[in-house]
Amino acid sequence: AQSVTQPDARVTVSEGASLQLRCKYSSSVTPYLFWYVQYPRQGLQLLLKYYSGDPVVQGVNGFEAEFSKSNSSFHLRKASVHWSDSAVYFCAVSMRTGNTRKLIFGLGTTLQVQP
Amino acid sequence: GPKVLQIPSHQIIDMGQMVTLNCDPVSNHLYFYWYKQILGQQMEFLVNFYNGKVMEKSKLFKDQFSVERPDGSYFTLKIQPTALEDSAVYFCASSLLGGPGEQYFGPGTRLTVL
Repeated sequence: AQSVTQPDARVTVSEGASLQLRCKYSSSVTPYLFWYVQYPRQGLQLLLKYYSGDPVVQGVNGFEAEFSKSNSSFHLRKASVHWSDSAVYFCAVSMRTGNTRKLIFGLGTTLQVQP
Repeated sequence: GPKVLQIPSHQIIDMGQMVTLNCDPVSNHLYFYWYKQILGQQMEFLVNFYNGKVMEKSKLFKDQFSVERPDGSYFTLKIQPTALEDSAVYFCASSLLGGPGEQYFGPGTRLTVL
């Protein structure tokens, strides 16, 4: 069975600092991986996705993530965070169910960016 | 970008009552999903729906749950009767394709069952 672990429930960084949010997955096959962000009172928005190929994928707003098969990880990074990046970040793996797919989510990491 | 709307944002009802959660998916999308998130826990898949039919449902999708999308209107999740353990935030999502394509999510409906 596929699963996703986000070991950090809350991360606090200063504005302008670099960021890494951790995500570990468990899957018997190479998964499709996603990072979503949720701002207050809004739906989840896709930051980036990995299907295959280059293990480093670029997303919106300067975010990137690196897929590592050996470490079963898909960590999210940003070189310099802004206060507006404060939100909840979800890592997810896509699991095939018949002709469709469902998303398996981690618990989420709340990012607080301090001025 | 494309938006999924959910109505209402918050619903409070007494245990045993019926509740209908409404989702207005992205207009040209064909696949629809409900996810459930209990406070402090992971968001979990409930059901997906395509071409008027449930494609797959999880063990969380109890017999008291039903989904439909009559005539291209709202995609609804109905719970009848409700139980205390149904208190959660319910997220609707839609996608154009059923493959690994992006699912677009609504802001969620917070359901409180008293």
